[in-house]
Amino acid sequence: EVQLVESGGGLVKPGGSLTLSCAASGFNFNNAWMNWVRQAPGKGLEWVGRLKSKTDGGTTDFAAPVKGRFTISGDDSKNTIYLQMISLKIEDTAVYYCIKEGYWYMGVWGKGTTVTVSS
Amino acid sequence: QSALTQPRSVSGSPGQSVAISCTGTSSDVGGYNYVSWYQQHPGKAPKVMIYDVTKRPSGVPDRFSGSKSGNTASLTISGLQAEDEADYFCCSPAGPHIWVFGGGTKLSVL
Repeated sequence: EVQLVESGGGLVKPGGSLTLSCAASGFNFNNAWMNWVRQAPGKGLEWVGRLKSKTDGGTTDFAAPVKGRFTISGDDSKNTIYLQMISLKIEDTAVYYCIKEGYWYMGVWGKGTTVTVSS
Repeated sequence: QSALTQPRSVSGSPGQSVAISCTGTSSDVGGYNYVSWYQQHPGKAPKVMIYDVTKRPSGVPDRFSGSKSGNTASLTISGLQAEDEADYFCCSPAGPHIWVFGGGTKLSVL
């Protein structure tokens, strides 16, 4: 069974940093394209960024609001990806979901981890 | 990149059909045949219901169907059931490297 488990969420002050983890199991992680999507309280879904598999170049793409502040990396030996967030803003407060991308769709979602940016 | 436009809410009675629209531009919905739809129950993670405009993943009832015309995609749910009450989001590529979601539609089953 494909499973994604996010962790690392918590309370952080504006301007602070946080790293989220997503542990994957049940599929060939080496070939997977992985995404992060967030959902602010009571709001809709917002795509954050994507990490392509190493076999497809291992490159990353990001949404405009987080570009330059967020990075995504992966550890194939641990079947884990990371979302490193710096210079956090109040508007970054959200549930962050890790997703295994299907071919041109968000295939399998984790349960999410909550990030709260507040002073 | 602006969010795709969805109605804030729709409603229907059990057994009826409802359609949820998702309007974008030629740079996203109109430019790709990769619109997908996601169902989200309160406090739960979203789940894909439709991908590639019209395809259903294994396990999704055939009461759910998708279509697209120009810059507008639609999700139709026929034979409404109580468990269909949820939020629904559309999604489309908005270029080779970015995705955009709709603002979401709350479906109420009366």
